[in-house]
Amino acid sequence: KAGVTQTPRYLIKTRGQQVTLSCSPISGHRSVSWYQQTPGQGLQFLFEYFSETQRNKGNFPGRFSGRQFSNSRSEMNVSTLELGDSALYLCASSLELADEQYFGPGTRLTVT
Amino acid sequence: DAKTTQPPSMDCAEGRAANLPCNHSTISGNEYVYWYRQIHSQGPQYIIHGLKNNETNEMASLIITEDRKSSTLILPHATLRDTAVYYCIVRVAAAGNKLTFGGGTRVLVKP
Repeated sequence: KAGVTQTPRYLIKTRGQQVTLSCSPISGHRSVSWYQQTPGQGLQFLFEYFSETQRNKGNFPGRFSGRQFSNSRSEMNVSTLELGDSALYLCASSLELADEQYFGPGTRLTVT
Repeated sequence: DAKTTQPPSMDCAEGRAANLPCNHSTISGNEYVYWYRQIHSQGPQYIIHGLKNNETNEMASLIITEDRKSSTLILPHATLRDTAVYYCIVRVAAAGNKLTFGGGTRVLVKP
């Protein structure tokens, strides 16, 4: 069974632009979560989705948003990019809410 | 979620067992202990989880003390590929998927 896939793997954007990252969960998994990892703050929870509904949200500004589609695929969007948004963005999927999560390889975003 | 305390780093000899401690003295009765690891520049990898009984799978064993205030992850025969940051996380299953990562333990397996 294929693992969690994330696209693109690497991305360079300029301050003020917006970006959309994509995540395809493991087949059959219905829950998707997003995390941001930076050297300074470590791994931080962004939000989680289940059945196309956001179930929980971390402490991030409204510039960070996401959605989940009927096939469980998910996207996250960051608008008006700032230098501090440079990070590894990780997506994780689980069969149901509260099951163990399996992470993708991440998208490394660099904002210049 | 209860907080966890882990040593920041530890070394282990290849082929020997690696015992990774985690303290979670404020854990609640409905909180599970999860272990993940992250090999450099990769996404975290699920290892094992438990509530109060000891657990074992193909990767590791999890030993939880009777009072549940601490636990130990055991890698039975460490290999160089086990070099990673290991995270001990405590969470309430009913709270959904949110994982609160701490600093973890940086494990270096040496030949």
